Amino acid sequence: DAKTTQPPSMDCAEGRAANLPCNHSTISGNEYVYWYRQIHSQGPQYIIHGLKNNETNEMASLIITEDRKSSTLILPHATLRDTAVYYCIVRGMYSGGGADGLTFGKGTHLIIQP
Amino acid sequence: GAVVSQHPSRVICKSGTSVKIECRSLDFQATTMFWYRQFPKQSLMLMATSNEGSKATYEQGVEKDKFLINHASLTLSTLTVTSAHPEDSSFYICSARDLQALPYGYTFGSGTRLTVV
Repeated sequence: DAKTTQPPSMDCAEGRAANLPCNHSTISGNEYVYWYRQIHSQGPQYIIHGLKNNETNEMASLIITEDRKSSTLILPHATLRDTAVYYCIVRGMYSGGGADGLTFGKGTHLIIQP
Repeated sequence: GAVVSQHPSRVICKSGTSVKIECRSLDFQATTMFWYRQFPKQSLMLMATSNEGSKATYEQGVEKDKFLINHASLTLSTLTVTSAHPEDSSFYICSARDLQALPYGYTFGSGTRLTVV
């Protein structure tokens, strides 16, 4: 799986858009970009994923650069409940068989300020 | 959507005793489940992959005799921490893949906080 690089922490004011960057310069053509978050003392929660096109769902938007070497997760209107560690993970689609658990980096600790 | 239930959420045990943690996929079948461990202020570390009907696959450095994994059915995997010691105190999290929900099929349990005293 491609390695990812994220800033260790970020602050964002409540109600503003939170933009979380992720670098994945060694991503290969068949690898997806996944975003998960972990609120303190809970299991990780899936947010969004994408291959090359920008994606949006009820939680967030994912912007992937044209060369796919980086991406940005956007939380459009951050609330205090969005305070969590956000993980950007790059990996190929499951092809069956073998061990393929997700590999987590250190993520970005996003703190939403009131 | 896919739900993974993990139990107990919190357990305190005496040093030298064993503790069993259960992980269930509630609305899907999971031939493979994953067990992670997370120490304070650190990221999740994959411990082992649990395969239904066969032996688990352990990551390098994880003692298979200490962390017993059983995956006897398509909806249940258990992790038993044997002869627990204070250094085993950690947050344990399981995960399962819903193969009907690719490519975002990883669902995580809510975690088990183990404290060994």
